[in-house]
Amino acid sequence: DARVTQTPRHKVTEMGQEVTMRCQPILGHNTVFWYRQTMMQGLELLAYFRNRAPLDDSGMPKDRFSAEMPDATLATLKIQPSEPRDSAVYFCASGPLTGVNTGELFFGEGSRLTVL
Amino acid sequence: TQLLEQSPQFLSIQEGENLTVYCNSSSVFSSLQWYRQEPGEGPVLLVTVVTGGEVKKLKRLTFQFGDARKDSSLHITAAQPGDTGLYLCAGWGSSNTGKLIFGQGTTLQVKP
Repeated sequence: DARVTQTPRHKVTEMGQEVTMRCQPILGHNTVFWYRQTMMQGLELLAYFRNRAPLDDSGMPKDRFSAEMPDATLATLKIQPSEPRDSAVYFCASGPLTGVNTGELFFGEGSRLTVL
Repeated sequence: TQLLEQSPQFLSIQEGENLTVYCNSSSVFSSLQWYRQEPGEGPVLLVTVVTGGEVKKLKRLTFQFGDARKDSSLHITAAQPGDTGLYLCAGWGSSNTGKLIFGQGTTLQVKP
């Protein structure tokens, strides 16, 4: 049963610490998205990749967030230094998308981050 | 910047009632999707609508895409407690490298 795997599921850290979240997309999917979900803002798009190339990261605070895809089986989202306002659930999603924008995204279970 | 506005944000109804959730934008989208999210899980796709004016049915759920491809609605007939959850509309941008953006979501509670 193919699924998107995210680690860690839960992370509690102190302000100023580095946080790295990892995502293993579904094998064969060429597109990976990172979203952040809070009660106030809903699901915000942070960054996305197609065929491992970053297409848009305009939703990320550039000074502290970075997203990479070192290979087709791994996407990472790093926050350094973390701040309390970064507390949220971070979702990774992958999809087998072509040039026609109608495809389905498959979401992981999310990484719940709490920054104290 | 493309934005999707959903209404209402919260809905609490009795089992058996009908309801409609709206998703509106000033932008044109290639397609609109509806996802449902349960607590502690990621969103799961319910339907994709592509053509302006398109109507799709999924059992008691009816989805409609506006003629101008800027808005969509989700109608649930005879809601059941199992319909409880967070409903999210999402739109695909029109460029070749378009991104999927989400509305704020509608939290639905169906009481037995």
